[in-house]
Amino acid sequence: GAVVSQHPSWVICKSGTSVKIECRSLDFQATTMFWYRQFPKQSLMLMATSNEGSKATYEQGVEKDKFLINHASLTLSTLTVTSAHPEDSSFYICSAEDLSGVLSSYNEQFFGPGTRLTVL
Amino acid sequence: AQTVTQSQPEMSVQEAETVTLSCTYDTSESDYYLFWYKQPPSRQMILVIRQEAYKQQNATENRFSVNFQKAAKSFSLKISDSQLGDAAMYFCAYTNFGNEKLTFGTGTRLTIIP
Repeated sequence: GAVVSQHPSWVICKSGTSVKIECRSLDFQATTMFWYRQFPKQSLMLMATSNEGSKATYEQGVEKDKFLINHASLTLSTLTVTSAHPEDSSFYICSAEDLSGVLSSYNEQFFGPGTRLTVL
Repeated sequence: AQTVTQSQPEMSVQEAETVTLSCTYDTSESDYYLFWYKQPPSRQMILVIRQEAYKQQNATENRFSVNFQKAAKSFSLKISDSQLGDAAMYFCAYTNFGNEKLTFGTGTRLTIIP
C-alpha cells in the first residue's frame, strides 16, 4: 500500500506555456498533499500544502498565481505552472498524507516519484 | 522556525563497513518527529527511519539505526554492513508533532566503494 503516482514523469515545454502535473494517492485517501521543488543537487523545498476542498497554503516566496494548486478529490492534487519560464525548470515532487492511521501510526507522508520539468 | 543542518555534503564508505551520517536541528518544540530519507538515483524519496522525540530509545530498522541526542539536538544515522544499494542522497528531516510540514536538511551524498 501507500503508493503515490505523478504524471507526467517528465515534461518539456516552451517558455510561456502552462504545464499541469498530477499527483494521485492510489490506495489511500489523502486530505492533505504537499508539493516540493528540488533543484539539481539540492534539497527539497516545500512550495505549498494542498488541502482537499479548500485553498492551498503557500510557503513564503512562492507565487500562488504562478503555481496553481487544485485538490478536488481525496486522491488527486494538481500543480499547474502557469506561463512557465526557464527558471521554473526543476524537479517537482508531491507527497500525500494518510490520515486514516491504517498505513502508519502517525501522519506519514508518502512521496511520488517526481516530475522533471524543462522549460525551453 | 525550525532548521535542519547536515554538515557532510559527501561521505564514502567501503562496502560491508559502517558509516555514520550527521544531522543537527534547531527547534523550541518539545514534541516532534525526526526522519532520515533516502533518495537514490531514481529520485524516489524513501523513508529509512523515524524517531519520535518523546522516545528515549533510539530507533533501529535492520542495518539502520540512529543516535538521538535530544539535549544536543543531534540525530545521526548509522548504516551497518554497507551495501552497494545504499548509495544515495540521504536527507535528515524534521516535523513538529501535530504539524505536517517537513523541513529537510541539505543532504549527504553517500558513495559505497566496492
